[in-house]
This record gives sequence, C-alpha cells and structure tokens, in this order.
Amino acid sequence: EIVMTQSPATLSVSPGEGATLSCRASQSVSSNLAWYQQRPGQAPRLLIYGASTRATGIPARFSGSGSGTEFTLTISSLQSEDFAVYYCQQYNNWPHTFGQGTKVEIK
Amino acid sequence: EVQLVESGGGLVQPGGSLRLSCAASGFIFGTYWMSWVRQAPGKGLEWVANIKQDGSEKYYVDSVKGRFTISRDNAKNSLYLQMNSLRAEDTAVYYCARGRLYMDVWGKGTTVTVSS
Repeated sequence: EIVMTQSPATLSVSPGEGATLSCRASQSVSSNLAWYQQRPGQAPRLLIYGASTRATGIPARFSGSGSGTEFTLTISSLQSEDFAVYYCQQYNNWPHTFGQGTKVEIK
Repeated sequence: EVQLVESGGGLVQPGGSLRLSCAASGFIFGTYWMSWVRQAPGKGLEWVANIKQDGSEKYYVDSVKGRFTISRDNAKNSLYLQMNSLRAEDTAVYYCARGRLYMDVWGKGTTVTVSS
C-alpha cells in the first residue's frame, strides 16, 4: 500500500496571504494524484486531479504541481472560504490512499 | 443538479449488519464508476470500495474484504453498501462518491456507529 504523507499538519495563514501544502508518496504515483478540500461539517470537494488539472468550477488561485513522489498544492491569496482541511489522494495503485490532511487555519 | 444522497446509517451493535444506499440524480448514473469513502470521527478519509458501471468489477480495501459488499441498480440510479460483521473501527461517516480514480461528486454522507 502506498503511504501518502502530508505536511505540515497545520498551517496558520493570514487572509490574503498564500499557502503551500506538501504531499509525499512512499513510491512513485506518476501524476495520478488528486487534492480535495473539506470544510467543517461538509463533504470533501475535488480541487485538482492529474496533479495539476483544476476540477470544474475551482478558482484559479488553486494550483497543483509535482510528479513521482513529491506534490504541492498552492493557494494564492487565501479567502475566508479556503480555511479548511486539504487531502491528497493517489490513484496510481490499489488501494487508492489518502494523506492524513493539512488543516489551513486563520492566523 | 448533480446530486448524491446517502441513507441507511445508524447505530448497530458489534457483529451486526447495515445496508447503506445512495440515490443519484442529475447525471447518467449507469455510465460512471461509483465509490464509497469513509471518515472515522476526527480522522482522515479512507476509500472503502468501488464498482464498475455494469457491476462486473468491484474492489475493496483489505480491512472490509469479506464483510462488505458494494452493488448497484442502474435502473434505480442507486448504489449500495452491505456491511456485515461490523466492528467498532467501522464507525464513520460513509460517503457515496462518483468516480473510480478520483471522485468529482460527493454526497453529504451517512453516519454509522458500531457500539454496544
């Protein structure tokens, strides 16, 4: 099973600032990586797939990069609705596994 | 509007059974792989199972193999998860989601609590 490790666990950011979240895979997953956002009490929402392709309706301030074992989700100029937990997920190998999440909180 | 609505969660004793349902609307259900993903209280996400469009392929995470069965009825636009021999560690919110590799549509979830 591929283990996905996200860092940091918590990121404190002021509104309007940018944030960089990291996700590392225990072995190469090529570009078969997705990012999700989960606001409190809500279901996850797909942000990015294919490591860098924004899902339908996702604002341009969200961008993904990386391949192989190292991936990054960048959020430029955080808005109030962006404070949430973010998960990466690999879908290169069964079972498809998630990272433990990064919580982006208001500084 | 594309929508997934789960139902069937509740409180069940260890060793018991429960059947979750997911009603799909707003898209051609029979043309998509579908998945179940769960989230234990205060924890992260865990993909549980998924099923091909015609039900001919099904995949499960090891921890539920032999206990859970995923199925679908395309005529009723519905996805199911039969859960048997439930354990305390199966306690979670169970989400129905559209997709095989990544999930682009999610339901709001239904809560399963396994406790005596």
